[in-house]
Amino acid sequence: GAVVSQHPSRVICKSGTSVKIECRSLDFQATTMFWYRQFPKKSLMLMATSNEGSKATYEQGVEKDKFLINHASLTLSTLTVTSAHPEDSSFYICSARDLEQGHQPQHFGDGTRLSIL
Amino acid sequence: GENVEQHPSTLSVQEGDSAVIKCTYSDSASNYFPWYKQELGKRPQLIIDIRSNVGEKKDQRIAVTLNKTAKHFSLHITETQPEDSAVYFCAARVLGAQKLVFGQGTRLTINP
Repeated sequence: GAVVSQHPSRVICKSGTSVKIECRSLDFQATTMFWYRQFPKKSLMLMATSNEGSKATYEQGVEKDKFLINHASLTLSTLTVTSAHPEDSSFYICSARDLEQGHQPQHFGDGTRLSIL
Repeated sequence: GENVEQHPSTLSVQEGDSAVIKCTYSDSASNYFPWYKQELGKRPQLIIDIRSNVGEKKDQRIAVTLNKTAKHFSLHITETQPEDSAVYFCAARVLGAQKLVFGQGTRLTINP
């Protein structure tokens, strides 16, 4: 149980393109999903917390107009990197909490490697 | 806000020996402490977690200890195997908060 699916796994696109990444909880409902960015050999940097049916909460320094987050259902959250530039190239990972498990652990998707040319 | 410090950043041990990774946290209101293992290019996977009402938890070769007074917790891996080689992250969550705060990670290498 507690499977989080993230798609696509890899994106290579030209500068100026907008890229949408999907995060789905496959076998549980997730009121809250999280979006992280990870640089090579670095820790997980939380970008925003996504709550179903409400606006996402962004961490300090993360541009909300640059990284659009939508959490329209209990099983799907999307991150759109708008007008992506080479500096946006990174590994983006989503995670979700399983509300039915008493201690509510957080499970991660496989990540999306974004490369902007 | 919560801050989590993790040490060491790299750790190399001989196969069969034990490995210990330590984390400290700053907010005494933190009550949930998971450990994740991340292999190269893959997702972080939860390997063990502990809540603040427990001092120690064990799952086969993996154990976690928590010292609430000192605000630190540790991951212990015994009888290490080559497949234990990965980056390990500790994290903490404050009671009532949604997000986890992660440590900087420890790159563990098991030498055959």
